[in-house]
Amino acid sequence: DADVTQTPRNRITKTGKRIMLECSQTKGHDRMYWYRQDPGLGLRLIYYSFDVKDINKGEISDGYSVSRQAQAKFSLSLESAIPNQTALYFCATSEGYGEAFFGQGTRLTVV
Amino acid sequence: GENVEQHPSTLSVQEGDSAVIKCTYSDSASNYFPWYKQELGKGPQLIIDIRSNVGEKKDQRIAVTLNKTAKHFSLHITETQPEDSAVYFCAATTGNQFYFGTGTSLTVIP
Repeated sequence: DADVTQTPRNRITKTGKRIMLECSQTKGHDRMYWYRQDPGLGLRLIYYSFDVKDINKGEISDGYSVSRQAQAKFSLSLESAIPNQTALYFCATSEGYGEAFFGQGTRLTVV
Repeated sequence: GENVEQHPSTLSVQEGDSAVIKCTYSDSASNYFPWYKQELGKGPQLIIDIRSNVGEKKDQRIAVTLNKTAKHFSLHITETQPEDSAVYFCAATTGNQFYFGTGTSLTVIP
């Protein structure tokens, strides 16, 4: 099984809909992250969490929210999806500031 | 916050040649510099990293150098192979967030 599992892998949704992307990890790490990848822009941080009670905004948090349901689970929500949120989304986990382990990604299309 | 710049954005090399990707960072407090490889349809995977107390690190055909004074670090791949074709990201962190470069798409031509 993968260390970091993201569901769904692909999703098409309509403008204005609420959508949740889920992430679970088996590494036992405290830190979890959500990134967005767009061509030419690299990986941009949306939210990060250092433990279950800790949630922090990243550089592009507007239009997104997160929930850390357990040490192993970190979900990302788009409250009202818009077309410019079409992107590849990655969840990651790390132990301190060592190696980050990424999921396989969720390709989200907002039409 | 930290700002990481990465160059070039695309790089094509002949099989067997070397490839070099360069990154600069802005925050002198950054102390950990990983490099990730992303293959098509997959998430990024760590290939090598370096901490601020080391100037160079090598792992087989891959090496990373760090110049703290100039605030830049580089990835060197020697004897490139077609399976090295991928997108490479550099990153920097002070211990909180990871700040990523914009990526380099490397193509190794057989």
